[in-house]
Order: sequence, then C-alpha cells, then structure tokens
Amino acid sequence: DAMVIQNPRYQVTQFGKPVTLSCSQTLNHNVMYWYQQKSSQAPKLLFHYYDKDFNNEADTPDNFQSRRPNTSFCFLDIRSPGLGDAAMYLCATSRDGQGYSPLHFGNGTRLTVT
Amino acid sequence: GQNIDQPTEMTATEGAIVQINCTYQTSGFNGLFWYQQHAGEAPTFLSYNVLDGLEEKGRFSSFLSRSKGYSYLLLKELQMKDSASYLCAGLDSNYQLIWGAGTKLIIKP
Repeated sequence: DAMVIQNPRYQVTQFGKPVTLSCSQTLNHNVMYWYQQKSSQAPKLLFHYYDKDFNNEADTPDNFQSRRPNTSFCFLDIRSPGLGDAAMYLCATSRDGQGYSPLHFGNGTRLTVT
Repeated sequence: GQNIDQPTEMTATEGAIVQINCTYQTSGFNGLFWYQQHAGEAPTFLSYNVLDGLEEKGRFSSFLSRSKGYSYLLLKELQMKDSASYLCAGLDSNYQLIWGAGTKLIIKP
C-alpha cells in the first residue's frame, strides 16, 4: 500500500543534543510537509517542500532545519532541542500544491526531551 | 486575523447522533476540511467542502455555509471507535491551511 512512513515512532533526546526525524513516502506526491503538534493543540506548519522548492514558515525557529534529498524522503533536524520542543512531529504529503488536495499523514514521531 | 473555532470537548452515547460545529474566519476561502485524529495517531482525512450544502459519506456528513462562515460534521450511529479528536481546517486565499485545535469526542456506552 502506498503510504507515508515516519521513523522512529518515539524518540528521546537530551536537552541540546541534535536529533533528526525522517519521513518517506511511496505516494509519489510532489508536496511534503512537517508539522509540530502539542497536546490538544492545532498542528503547526514548520516547513513544506513543493518538489525541491523549500518554504519556511515565518515563525519557524532557526533551531529547526529540513532537507529533502529526493522526492521520496524528507528529514527534520532539530539542532539544539529544548524542553519546549517536546511534541508530536507529523510528516504529511499532498499530490500537488493546490491546497484542496487532502493531506496524507505519517503516524508521527513523538519527541521527548530530557 | 485568521481563526478557527470549535468546541474543546463533546460527549455522546453509543448509537446516537452528534454534531460538531466549526466557525471560521479566513482571508479568502478555498474550502474546509475535516480530519479525524485518534489519540497518539496522525490525522486522517474525512471530508472537504467548498460549496454550500451537505455532503454525505456513510455515517459521516459535513455541511458548509459560506455566508455564515460555518461548518459542521455530523456523525450518525456512533460507535466506540469514533472516540477521537475531530479537526476543522479552513483553506485561505493563499491555499494555506488554518487549523482548529480539534474537538475531543468521548463516546459512552
């Protein structure tokens, strides 16, 4: 089945220790997104890629970086995680950038910062 | 500013019907989405409305009134597995999604 896969499902890191989250997709979708979601809050868009064009949201902290080496893979790097970065990180894809294409989400990576 | 409002939590009984409301204020409007999110899992797409009226999809229906900036999700014949959060998201004129915080639906036997 075509899908969006995130690894790992749970990630524990120490305060200030860099961490990388990964996402892969077999849907062949052009657009990939990274969202941060804290408990009982709306998902917050961090970045999105239309093909290889990178789009950074204005309020995404510099501590967060992203890479999309090819169509299938996307990575989220957190350079110096703080306690406030503990959250669920959701990767999503959509067929095109028209907005009305539904998002297909991976199962998420829950990040704990100790 | 842009805003999505929906109730924080609702409770309903198994087998009953529940309506989850959503009001939106967006800069321009290109449609409204509903997603279901079970605890600890990713959101999954339920519906997309861009025209006024009711769209039915099995036990779930979604309604839109553009003049009122209002939508609702109607769930019929509730099952325990419907216990989840339901996220409303509006699409603005730049095709950016504006998300609500979600309505946590608790189903009681």
